[in-house]
Amino acid sequence: DAGVIQSPRHEVTEMGQEVTLRCKPISGHNSLFWYRQTMMRGLELLIYFNNNVPIDDSGMPEDRFSAKMPNASFSTLKIQPSEPRDSAVYFCASSRTGQGDNEQFFGPGTRLTVL
Amino acid sequence: AQSVTQPDIHITVSEGASLELRCNYSYGATPYLFWYVQSPGQGLQLLLKYFSGDTLVQGIKGFEAEFKRSQSSFNLRKPSVHWSDAAEYFCAVGGSYGGSQGNLIFGKGTKLSVKP
Repeated sequence: DAGVIQSPRHEVTEMGQEVTLRCKPISGHNSLFWYRQTMMRGLELLIYFNNNVPIDDSGMPEDRFSAKMPNASFSTLKIQPSEPRDSAVYFCASSRTGQGDNEQFFGPGTRLTVL
Repeated sequence: AQSVTQPDIHITVSEGASLELRCNYSYGATPYLFWYVQSPGQGLQLLLKYFSGDTLVQGIKGFEAEFKRSQSSFNLRKPSVHWSDAAEYFCAVGGSYGGSQGNLIFGKGTKLSVKP
């Protein structure tokens, strides 16, 4: 299995630009999670989906952030407009929830720098 | 409220010395407990997990952890640390939802440095 795939691995953009991060979960997993990691705040859960439906988006910092999961094999996290304080590493993770095991498998992350 | 506390932000040990990383949790139901490791520039990798049964669980890379319900703890241990163990370690707690969302709550992490 290829594991969780994220793209791009690195993104450098200017303030005000739109940024789209992409994630392909592990095949057969029915839950998908987006996290943000910074030195100051550590690992924060932004939003998670179960069977393609957003379950909890209370971690999304503000309306500039949006996430979609149009099908079981693809999700996007969009920031529009981006700001320097959005600079962080964004992780996607997936799990096979509901089978007595909530182990999450993490992707390699996208390092976002907003200038 | 559900929470995970890792009291040590940064720990330094000598190579070959033993290691214990602390984790305390607050969770209303029977917890599922996890330890993840993150090497620099990498994603998180699962070291071990506890669901039920034997409270001492073995993981990869020679790590083990012990679940102590009375202390709400799940400390990670390794008898002899290797330089390659230098990384950040995260404790996490979740529940058996049996069809529910399966969210995990992560601690803030403990950064481990290894002296030669």
